[in-house]
Amino acid sequence: SQQGEEDPQALSIQEGENATMNCSYKTSINNLQWYRQNSGRGLVHLILIRSNEREKHSGRLRVTLDTSKKSSSLLITASRAADTASYFCAIGTYKYIFGTGTRLKVLA
Amino acid sequence: DADVTQTPRNRITKTGKRIMLECSQTKGHDRMYWYRQDPGLGLRLIYYSFDVKDINKGEISDGYSVSRQAQAKFSLSLESAIPNQTALYFCATSDSGTGPYGYTFGSGTRLTVV
Repeated sequence: SQQGEEDPQALSIQEGENATMNCSYKTSINNLQWYRQNSGRGLVHLILIRSNEREKHSGRLRVTLDTSKKSSSLLITASRAADTASYFCAIGTYKYIFGTGTRLKVLA
Repeated sequence: DADVTQTPRNRITKTGKRIMLECSQTKGHDRMYWYRQDPGLGLRLIYYSFDVKDINKGEISDGYSVSRQAQAKFSLSLESAIPNQTALYFCATSDSGTGPYGYTFGSGTRLTVV
């Protein structure tokens, strides 16, 4: 399966701490994306990283990609209560397969 | 107005009934997708369309059909609803230019089949 698998399934941290979540996959990819979903709502695109890129930044978000290990990580620095959400990686080219997500809870 | 609008937001229907979920977008995107989300299973692709004349099955198309009425409209039908189709359904769009591009999602339709 091309589906990414996020790890951990759930994460609880204090406000101000960094949150790291990982995505592993089994097949070669062209690009990998990360999305955020607030409870029961639509997903929001966060960042896309291409297979020839190793790291990308967007605000407090940092994404890395290691194609040799078939894994990606999403780091959220200085987390806030508003970052509480589920985070999904998605793999594909023109249609994407989503993982099962990491549920992040940031405690104020 | 939202870029991707799904109607209805919530729906309860009985087993065996036909139901249509609608999606319209103002993004001007060519590509449209239907996903369903079940707890613990993430999102699974039902159908996708790259233009008005193009319809493709996803990984879980059985029991569903779609219609791309216009570039901006993509509807999902359950011909005879069954309880295990109870889920959160999402429509998404993406551009077809020199991407890749991320998806823009609608707010979802929560469907309950009783």
